[in-house]
Amino acid sequence: DAGVTQSPTHLIKTRGQQVTLRCSPKSGHDTVSWYQQALGQGPQFIFQYYEEEERQRGNFPDRFSGHQFPNYSSELNVNALLLGDSALYLCASKSLILSYEQYFGPGTRLTVT
Amino acid sequence: TQLLEQSPQFLSIQEGENLTVYCNSSSVFSSLQWYRQEPGEGPVLLVTVVTGGEVKKLKRLTFQFGDARKDSSLHITAAQTGDTGLYLCAASDDYGQNFVFGPGTRLSVLP
Repeated sequence: DAGVTQSPTHLIKTRGQQVTLRCSPKSGHDTVSWYQQALGQGPQFIFQYYEEEERQRGNFPDRFSGHQFPNYSSELNVNALLLGDSALYLCASKSLILSYEQYFGPGTRLTVT
Repeated sequence: TQLLEQSPQFLSIQEGENLTVYCNSSSVFSSLQWYRQEPGEGPVLLVTVVTGGEVKKLKRLTFQFGDARKDSSLHITAAQTGDTGLYLCAASDDYGQNFVFGPGTRLSVLP
């Protein structure tokens, strides 16, 4: 049973560029959330997708957008990258029915130069 | 905005010692999770507590949820070097629709 997977593992982009990160949820899970974790800090909630719609959103600008596909996988898109967007981006999945437990992927390390 | 505080921020101990780390908030939560994270990896779920006063044990780790569901503690008995990592608490509102993370306690267990 595969857990949550994310790609790519690492990514280097230049300021102003756009990036797309991908996530496949754990088998049986239908809800995907994205988090940004800056160095030395706890994860910050970006948004959550369920039934291909954004259901909850944290305090992030519109440059951060996402998508969920019919197979429950998800993408995080960030436009007009800033140096401050450098972070570990984490995807977490859960089953909406069993709501309290979410499982994280290994993350994508994004570096903006 | 619901906020979680964790203490201490850093903790360095010798192998075999006991330790307790804390997670506190001014808000009441429906559930609280503890995770351990190693550098460059995603957080790994250790436990979920949902009932005020609940105590859960996972081998040498003991987790407690406060009676008022505003705070939690994690106690490690006879720490091992493999316990080294960042310990994060996360709390959710009803139905787990919104998770808030604390800043974490970075634990270093020295041989």
